[in-house]
Amino acid sequence: DIQMTQSPSSLSASVGDRVTITCRASQGISNSLAWFQQKPGKAPKLLLYAASSLESGVPSRFSGSGSGTDYTLTISSLQPEDFATYYCQHYYSSPHTFGQGTRLEIK
Amino acid sequence: EVQLVQSGEEVRKPGESLRISCKGSGFTFTSYWIGWVRQMPGKGLEWMGIIYPFDSDTRHSPSLQGQVTISADKSISTAYLQWSSLKAADTAMYYCVRSMVRGVAGPFDIWGQGTMVTVSS
Repeated sequence: DIQMTQSPSSLSASVGDRVTITCRASQGISNSLAWFQQKPGKAPKLLLYAASSLESGVPSRFSGSGSGTDYTLTISSLQPEDFATYYCQHYYSSPHTFGQGTRLEIK
Repeated sequence: EVQLVQSGEEVRKPGESLRISCKGSGFTFTSYWIGWVRQMPGKGLEWMGIIYPFDSDTRHSPSLQGQVTISADKSISTAYLQWSSLKAADTAMYYCVRSMVRGVAGPFDIWGQGTMVTVSS
């Protein structure tokens, strides 16, 4: 099974900050990586897929990059509605493991 | 509108059986992989498995193999998650998800609203 290591586990930032979250796979996953945002009491929402493709309707301040085993989610200028928990997930092979999550909090 | 609608909240005792459901609408149910994701209280997301309703091809998480059963009834566009003997550790929110692309197992873009399962004596 492919393990996904996400970091940091929590992050404090201010509105307008640029933040980066990383996800490392235990083996190469050929860009088969998705990023999700989850707010309390809500189902997760797909932000990006194929490592860097923005889901329809997602603001362009969200971007993704990476290759091989290492991937990043960047929020270029944090907005109040971005404070949430973020998860990466690979879908290269079953099981489609999630990262442990990153809780993004207001500083 | 493409959507997945899950069955309602359940409260059961340890040892009881349970089946929760996920009904798809607005798309050809047999053409997309449907998956299940667990979220225990205060914890992260855990992939449980997926099914392709066209032929019931199923992939289970090795860590949950034998503990739950994933199935689908394509005639009514519904996927199921079933337990034969619940444990307190099964207490969680369960989400169903749909693959973004026909016939391709990932990524998953559509999420159901979630079904909360509480197992307590």
